[in-house]
Amino acid sequence: AQKVTQAQTEISVVEKEDVTLDCVYETRDTTYYLFWYKQPPSGELVFLIRRNSFDEQNEISGRYSWNFQKSTSSFNFTITASQVVDSAVYFCALSEVGVGSQGGSEKLVFGKGMKLTVNP
Amino acid sequence: ETGVTQSPTHLIKTRGQQVTLRCSSQSGHNTVSWYQQALGQGPQFIFQYYREEENGRGNFPPRFSGLQFPNYSSELNVNALELDDSALYLCASSFDLDTQYFGPGTRLTVL
Repeated sequence: AQKVTQAQTEISVVEKEDVTLDCVYETRDTTYYLFWYKQPPSGELVFLIRRNSFDEQNEISGRYSWNFQKSTSSFNFTITASQVVDSAVYFCALSEVGVGSQGGSEKLVFGKGMKLTVNP
Repeated sequence: ETGVTQSPTHLIKTRGQQVTLRCSSQSGHNTVSWYQQALGQGPQFIFQYYREEENGRGNFPPRFSGLQFPNYSSELNVNALELDDSALYLCASSFDLDTQYFGPGTRLTVL
């Protein structure tokens, strides 16, 4: 079965520090997608990135970067020069594609999340 | 472009009652997925709706049911509420199997 592990449950940093959020996953699928979502106190899950299992290139978007390593089944997320607005719970997720009554069906399997607090 | 919306924002029910939660999908999306998020946990997949039919289900009992309408909006119904059903219920919409975008959620409290 699919599984996502976020070993860190809570991290507290001071503004401008860099922080890396770890994510390790388990799957038997050869094709899958990995995601990161951010959940601020308001509760809404905000999409950050989706990465295809065949694309191991690292990605950078502003202060955010992602490191995908298939050999270690990891998809880590780094925030550079953290800001107070980055304070949130961050979830790593893995897609599980199945067959539904109407064709392909995709569900997301989430880790337990990592609470990041950035202090001024 | 309108994002995913959910109603109500908060809801308080008592054990044994029934509840209906609503979700309007993002413009251009045809698939709706529902997730339950208990406090301090990651979201758990309940089911997915596509073409007005349930198209995939997680490990939830039959008292969790849903509907999808021709405009792709959706409802989640929960019968015979139990205390453990207290959670944040998140709706996500997507176009086919593309990225799922989430709404703000409905926080359900069962007393």
